[in-house]
Amino acid sequence: GQQVMQIPQYQHVQEGEDFTTYCNSSTTLSNIQWYKQRPGGHPVFLIQLVKSGEVKKQKRLTFQFGEAKKNSSLHITATQTTDVGTYFCAGRQTSGSRLTFGEGTQLTVNP
Amino acid sequence: NAGVMQNPRHLVRRRGQEARLRCSPMKGHSHVYWYRQLPEEGLKFMVYLQKENIIDESGMPKERFSAEFPKEGPSILRIQQVVRGDSAAYFCASSPSRGYNEQFFGPGTRLTVL
Repeated sequence: GQQVMQIPQYQHVQEGEDFTTYCNSSTTLSNIQWYKQRPGGHPVFLIQLVKSGEVKKQKRLTFQFGEAKKNSSLHITATQTTDVGTYFCAGRQTSGSRLTFGEGTQLTVNP
Repeated sequence: NAGVMQNPRHLVRRRGQEARLRCSPMKGHSHVYWYRQLPEEGLKFMVYLQKENIIDESGMPKERFSAEFPKEGPSILRIQQVVRGDSAAYFCASSPSRGYNEQFFGPGTRLTVL
């Protein structure tokens, strides 16, 4: 079955440093989504990428979808303490099929 | 516009008891998804339901677990004869249609089996 892998599992940074998490799928994806889960909270949708090579930005967050539509990344520039949480990617093999979540990258930011 | 609601938020059961978790999707949403999350782990898909239909239950354990989404009322995830390994956070998410971009998650039910 489809597998979605994410690295690193944990990342500790000083406030102001950059952060990147990577997501790799065992199969080609129709689209990929990113979610953020604060400690003790629930996942909240951040963005969806659909096109090969797509790049989207949300303020300090940059999302990329690989050319082969099998990998993706999330980059945060100049982290802040409000960025703390676990970032999950989730891929769909075909439009309308179930989401397969990665294991997540847990980000801690030291002030 | 109320979000996805789940209750109870916390549930404690002894081994062998039944756990019943409820999920009310967002208004206008007819698609419900259940996920299980163990501590420090990702979200594992369990089941996808539409009103009165199970669309995909490939992530559900074969025994003791069942789910329904009746025409009226919330979606129910039922775990019979709970064991310690069932302790986890169970999240429900909803969307208005099958191909819709995002899933809206509820606050989750934290199940503890003693």
